[in-house]
Amino acid sequence: QSVLTQPPSTSGTPGQRVTISCSGSSSNIGNNPVNWYQHLPGKPPQLLIYSNYQRPSGVPDRFSGSKSGTSASLAISGLQSEDEADYYCAAWDDRLNAYVFGPGTEVAVL
Amino acid sequence: EVQLVESGGGLVQPGGSLRLSCAASGFTFSNYWMSWVRQAPGKGLEWVANIKGDGSERYYVASVRGRFTISRDNAKNSVHLQMNTLRAEDTAVYFCVRAIGIQESLWGQGTLVTVSS
Repeated sequence: QSVLTQPPSTSGTPGQRVTISCSGSSSNIGNNPVNWYQHLPGKPPQLLIYSNYQRPSGVPDRFSGSKSGTSASLAISGLQSEDEADYYCAAWDDRLNAYVFGPGTEVAVL
Repeated sequence: EVQLVESGGGLVQPGGSLRLSCAASGFTFSNYWMSWVRQAPGKGLEWVANIKGDGSERYYVASVRGRFTISRDNAKNSVHLQMNTLRAEDTAVYFCVRAIGIQESLWGQGTLVTVSS
């Protein structure tokens, strides 16, 4: 049972905007930066967003992150077929002294 | 080339031991925290452990504390994960990660560990 909560799945058509929520607590999201990862089958996860909303170089600006209190969200605008993947939120947890991942959200492009 | 290459995975019986290694190249290894993250078959990502650049701090997920030990050799640009008293639920692909969660984050390709009799 993860200390971070994400919806198991979401979907959209090409060009649509989808959002993924991530809910935590004061010991993780409430007090530490949130990161988002994209994971395609057979590949290592890719960091999409760090420090709540920052994008590493090479990540398209279609991906955006935000945080408010103990919740965060990832938005994908202009959805494309190659965006079909699992998406994970993550943050350090001060109470557990551990880096925690959410359970992951599967994004389907219809 | 900047890269991380894991090795040491394989099949091991329950209760057995295995030592994973991760060879780093192309960057100043001692400047970075290093982590191990795993993904069990059909499951999500799980952070396992991390170690500070100079080795002075280490943290573990509760499920492996006391069984796994993370270590590093900055002279050889490598990080290791000694896994003892392995259980079926430790079966996973194990990824070596540089600087998890910040812009300089870098992941290896992973190595498969299977715990089965």
